[in-house]
Amino acid sequence: EIVLTQSPGTLSLSPGERATLSCRASQSVRSTYLAWYQQKPGQSPRLLIYGTSSRATGVPDRFSGSGSGTDFTLTISRLEPEDFAMYYCQHYGNSLFTFGPGTQVDIK
Amino acid sequence: EVQLVESGGGLVQPGESLRLSCAASGFLFRTYWMSWVRQTPREGLEWVANIKEDGSDKYYVDSVKGRFTISRDNTKNSLFLQMNSLRVEDTAIYYCARAPRLTTPFTFDLWGQGTLVTVSS
Repeated sequence: EIVLTQSPGTLSLSPGERATLSCRASQSVRSTYLAWYQQKPGQSPRLLIYGTSSRATGVPDRFSGSGSGTDFTLTISRLEPEDFAMYYCQHYGNSLFTFGPGTQVDIK
Repeated sequence: EVQLVESGGGLVQPGESLRLSCAASGFLFRTYWMSWVRQTPREGLEWVANIKEDGSDKYYVDSVKGRFTISRDNTKNSLFLQMNSLRVEDTAIYYCARAPRLTTPFTFDLWGQGTLVTVSS
């Protein structure tokens, strides 16, 4: 079973700054199977990125994904007030889905 | 409107059963894999189960195998989760989620608002 680790646990930044979130897999995974979600308090998760780097419908282009093998990154180029939230990476493999523990992006 | 609406959550005692339902609307339900995902403050998000478009294939996380059963009724655009032998650690918000195979494969592209299941004596 693949385990996903996310870092940092909390990222404190100011609006306009760049956010770099990391997701590391316990073994190499196919890029096709790596996704990212955003979740705000009291809301359901929202799909942001699929297939490592493809943005879901309606996701602003300040969100980008990259990576391969065991290391993947979600980058928010310039934080907007609405971007302060929890972010999860997710993997699919062997008919099972796993999520990382999440990174909280807070306002500094 | 494209949406998923869960129902059936509540407070039960350990060992009891509960059946969750999810009503889908606004899209062709029978053409999508569907899943249940749960969330707790401590454990975060955890995928629970998913089911193929026609119900012929089902998969579960190890911790619920033998206790939970996912099913669907495509004539009623509905997804279900029968939860038996509930444990305290099953306490969570349970989300119904759409799991497309074509547009955004191997992801959950549509989520319900969630229903809270509390298992406590």
